[in-house]
Amino acid sequence: DTAVSQTPKYLVTQMGNDKSIKCEQNLGHDTMYWYKQDSKKFLKIMFSYNNKELIINETVPNRFSPKSPDKAHLNLHINSLELGDSAVYFCASSHTGVEAFFGQGTRLTVV
Amino acid sequence: AQKVTQAQTEISVVEKEDVTLDCVYETRDTTYYLFWYKQPPSGELVFLIRRNSFDEQNEISGRYSWNFQKSTSSFNFTITASQVVDSAVYFCALSEGSNYQLIWGAGTKLIIKP
Repeated sequence: DTAVSQTPKYLVTQMGNDKSIKCEQNLGHDTMYWYKQDSKKFLKIMFSYNNKELIINETVPNRFSPKSPDKAHLNLHINSLELGDSAVYFCASSHTGVEAFFGQGTRLTVV
Repeated sequence: AQKVTQAQTEISVVEKEDVTLDCVYETRDTTYYLFWYKQPPSGELVFLIRRNSFDEQNEISGRYSWNFQKSTSSFNFTITASQVVDSAVYFCALSEGSNYQLIWGAGTKLIIKP
């Protein structure tokens, strides 16, 4: 069973569209995250949820909106996609202060 | 402020050589965690090790070993007898106390040539 799964793995879309990336974890972790990895491989946190509550919201355009329907899910919705949003987005989960486990990543390409 | 520095952007060695990846961190907290992750060409992020600030004991796992030195704020990673399958980008990361986020280094791309 996949511990942290995110879908889709690849997403190609046109500028201006709205898209969602889904993430689910079956590890029983209390904290979930979204990270963005740019073309230079630099990783930066976007959001973190602990027990469905938003606890980290870094400087991210408000076109990005996370939604956590329950502890096992953290979805990312992106409105009005821009070329600069092209990146790999990783979902992850952890218990507090313990190592995070990552999904396989979603490569978003905006054309 | 938290910061993680991996000064080596890219390292290239021939198979079977030993290689050390450097990681230097900055934090004001006395309680923190350090991590190493591997990102192979397939793109996933694979957890390798976690070390907390109260445990400076070095660790060995097969061909992998980690040297944690609080005096120099370093958490270096050594691969002994490298193999082509070790080729990947390796990330060092830091989290502080009850903080929920990982602060990442820029990564070191390791190329192992046959």
